[in-house]
Amino acid sequence: NAGVMQNPRHLVRRRGQEARLRCSPMKGHSHVYWYRQLPEEGLKFMVYLQKENIIDESGMPKERFSAEFPKEGPSILRIQQVVRGDSAAYFCASSALREGASYEQYFGPGTRLTVT
Amino acid sequence: GESVGLHLPTLSVQEGDNSIINCAYSNSASDYFIWYKQESGKGPQFIIDIRSNMDKRQGQRVTVLLNKTVKHLSLQIAATQPGDSAVYFCAENRNTGKLIFGQGTTLQVKP
Repeated sequence: NAGVMQNPRHLVRRRGQEARLRCSPMKGHSHVYWYRQLPEEGLKFMVYLQKENIIDESGMPKERFSAEFPKEGPSILRIQQVVRGDSAAYFCASSALREGASYEQYFGPGTRLTVT
Repeated sequence: GESVGLHLPTLSVQEGDNSIINCAYSNSASDYFIWYKQESGKGPQFIIDIRSNMDKRQGQRVTVLLNKTVKHLSLQIAATQPGDSAVYFCAENRNTGKLIFGQGTTLQVKP
């Protein structure tokens, strides 16, 4: 019974390159969330997606960042023209949200992005 | 603004003792609270949750207490073990899907 899968686990990019982070939710989950964690800090919400829909992107930087969750395949967080300040751990979580149910989110192991 | 905070950055306890980790939240509209445990290099692991219509919930060796009057949340770990050493985060959900996390408390268990 696989949990939330993320790949790659570690990603090194030079300034100006693109970073693509992938997340496969738990089986049966149709809701995906992306969070960013800087060293020694808590997680910060970025975006909440359902299949083919962005529900809440209030935590996403306005430029260079985008996310999608297509009908088929994993959710992708894309960072264009990376800068050193993008270096962080990016976590994906998924949930099976039902009317009246809790919002229990299960997290993946994260992708650690290093921008050189 | 949005704020979920923890009272202490580090808590050091003796193995076998009980641990209490505290959290304050600012938004009285929050209706769901969760405690996560994060070990080094790993993602947050769900520990226990509680809804705003409850004031206490128990799990295996863990208890969460919610005091809505003072907007305070605590996690109690009974008979703390070395494997409990980690960073603990409280998080709140306001029926919107997204979680608002606190800064975290590092729990150190001394053998």
